[in-house]
Amino acid sequence: NAGVMQNPRHLVRRRGQEARLRCSPMKGHSHVYWYRQLPEEGLKFMVYLQKENIIDESGMPKERFSAEFPKEGPSILRIQQVVRGDSAAYFCASSPDFSPGPLHFGNGTRLTVT
Amino acid sequence: KQEVTQIPAALSVPEGENLVLNCSFTDSAIYNLQWFRQDPGKGLTSLLLIQSSQREQTSGRLNASLDKSSGRSTLYIAASQPGDSATYLCAVGDNYGQNFVFGPGTRLSVLP
Repeated sequence: NAGVMQNPRHLVRRRGQEARLRCSPMKGHSHVYWYRQLPEEGLKFMVYLQKENIIDESGMPKERFSAEFPKEGPSILRIQQVVRGDSAAYFCASSPDFSPGPLHFGNGTRLTVT
Repeated sequence: KQEVTQIPAALSVPEGENLVLNCSFTDSAIYNLQWFRQDPGKGLTSLLLIQSSQREQTSGRLNASLDKSSGRSTLYIAASQPGDSATYLCAVGDNYGQNFVFGPGTRLSVLP
């Protein structure tokens, strides 16, 4: 049973480009969470999604950030027109259908904006 | 708004010692609490999950306790080993099942 899969592991983007981060939850999990971890800081909640629905996006910046979890395929966190301050590790977690179940994390995507 | 704190921020101990990590939260209306470890440059590994109706959970040398009324959880590590060196985070699952709030973590170093 594969764990939470995130790709790419490392992503380098120039200022103004778009970043797309992908997350495939564990098999049988329909709840996906995205967190951001800045250097020397804790994990900050961004968004919570279920299949085809955004349940809570209270942690998402109002502009340039969006997330989706389509019926088929992975969850996508999209950052448009990246800036240096977006450089961070982005973690995806999934949990079982009963909520809130235990969280299972992927290894993260480390975004560097140059 | 739920806030989670962890004390101490960093801890360095010699191998073999028993140690306690603390986690405090401001809103006692939680659904569960989960302890994780994070190794440098890696994701989070789940250690223990305590439901709000439980008082403690044990796994090997780890024991986590939960006192909802006082807003506290402790993670006890027995006979620490250098391989235990990592950052330990606690996360509180809120009562609506919508969100997990993380503490800032305790960075543990176990010296051989």
